[in-house]
Amino acid sequence: DAGVIQSPRHEVTEMGQEVTLRCKPISGHNSLFWYRQTMMRGLELLIYFNNNVPIDDSGMPEDRFSAKMPNASFSTLKIQPSEPRDSAVYFCASTVGRTNSPLHFGNGTRLTVT
Amino acid sequence: DAKTTQPPSMDCAEGRAANLPCNHSTISGNEYVYWYRQIHSQGPQYIIHGLKNNETNEMASLIITEDRKSSTLILPHATLRDTAVYYCIVRGPGNRSRLTFGEGTQLTVNP
Repeated sequence: DAGVIQSPRHEVTEMGQEVTLRCKPISGHNSLFWYRQTMMRGLELLIYFNNNVPIDDSGMPEDRFSAKMPNASFSTLKIQPSEPRDSAVYFCASTVGRTNSPLHFGNGTRLTVT
Repeated sequence: DAKTTQPPSMDCAEGRAANLPCNHSTISGNEYVYWYRQIHSQGPQYIIHGLKNNETNEMASLIITEDRKSSTLILPHATLRDTAVYYCIVRGPGNRSRLTFGEGTQLTVNP
């Protein structure tokens, strides 16, 4: 079991550039979650998918953020255009389709927007 | 989802049991109590969860009071590697429900 795989581990970009974060969930898991973590706001849920369909995107901060899950083994979180306040660690998590199964998190992508 | 309250920090001596409390007085009958921990710069790690019975696994034990308004996570023999932020989370049933993190408890295990 390779766990949830996120790429890249670190991303440094300039304000205004497009940023794409990637996530590969654990094989067989059908729910996927994107979180953001900052010192000021802690861990925030941005969006989650069930069977590749977005269920709740109320945590997405604004229209600059978008997330897709084209298939069961891949998801992206895109920021366009990026701003310095988007600097954070972004985590992806997945879980299997049983009721109350725990979430398994990746090791995150540390994004720095200068 | 019900709100949880945890102390911001705790200390524990290496080799001793670490008992981390959590209050969730507004928990609903079908909501589970989950515990995760986060070691610096890593993703949160699942520890244990339960509904109303006490639970034990290879990492920890979870004690839930009879009225379900509070719980305690027990690390029986804490090691330096258990130093982390521990999150107590209440979550509704089904994989469509959110997992909302609070501020957690910073546990420091001292040699």
